[in-house]
Amino acid sequence: QVQLVQSGAEVKKPGASVKVSCKASGYTFTSYGISWVRQAPGQGLEWMGWISTYNRNTNYAQKFQGRVTMTTDISTSTAYMELRSLRSDDTAVYFCARVLRGVNNILTGYYYWGQGTLVTVSS
Amino acid sequence: DVVMTQSPLSLPVTLGQPASISCRSSQSLVYSDGNTYLNWFQQRPGQSPRRLIYKVSNRDSGVPDRFSGSGSGTDFTLKISRVEAEDVGVYYCMQGTHWPGTFGQGTKVEIK
Repeated sequence: QVQLVQSGAEVKKPGASVKVSCKASGYTFTSYGISWVRQAPGQGLEWMGWISTYNRNTNYAQKFQGRVTMTTDISTSTAYMELRSLRSDDTAVYFCARVLRGVNNILTGYYYWGQGTLVTVSS
Repeated sequence: DVVMTQSPLSLPVTLGQPASISCRSSQSLVYSDGNTYLNWFQQRPGQSPRRLIYKVSNRDSGVPDRFSGSGSGTDFTLKISRVEAEDVGVYYCMQGTHWPGTFGQGTKVEIK
């Protein structure tokens, strides 16, 4: 069965970086991309970006451009999301989700999600 | 970015009664291929989002048939025909037609 298992909770100081992992199993890793979505405490869902596990192309939401890097390691079927220059308002649960980018450039999927990783930014 | 506006933001419902959530987009969600990429998600407390509906009205496997999605263009609705206790949670619409994907603010469904 398809599973996305994320790394554990992190506590970081303002200005630091965090790298969250998302390990996939139960399917061919390079057949689907990974999107990252975050959720601040008590708030809604916010799309951060997408990475193709096939060719490592990325597309980031403008809000995170310059601060986020999404990568993959196909040898371990793991996707990573690194966020730099952390601020208190980056405190959130970060989710990965499996997606598919079609020939029409549309991202579909979001059926399989990781369990979420809480990142707390506090001095 | 496309703005997704849900209403109401809070929806107290009596068990067994219907519920309806509206989602409006700031631009048409009809893509050039003729499809409309509008999803609905349910998020129960402490859980990851669960996709219920894709492309406006297609129910995912395992989703009870009391959930239905409808709409077109910029105006969409999620309906629960008879609310059950397990339906408590926050419901989000999300558009995938335009980059970046964007979510509505969420509608909290609770039992009266």
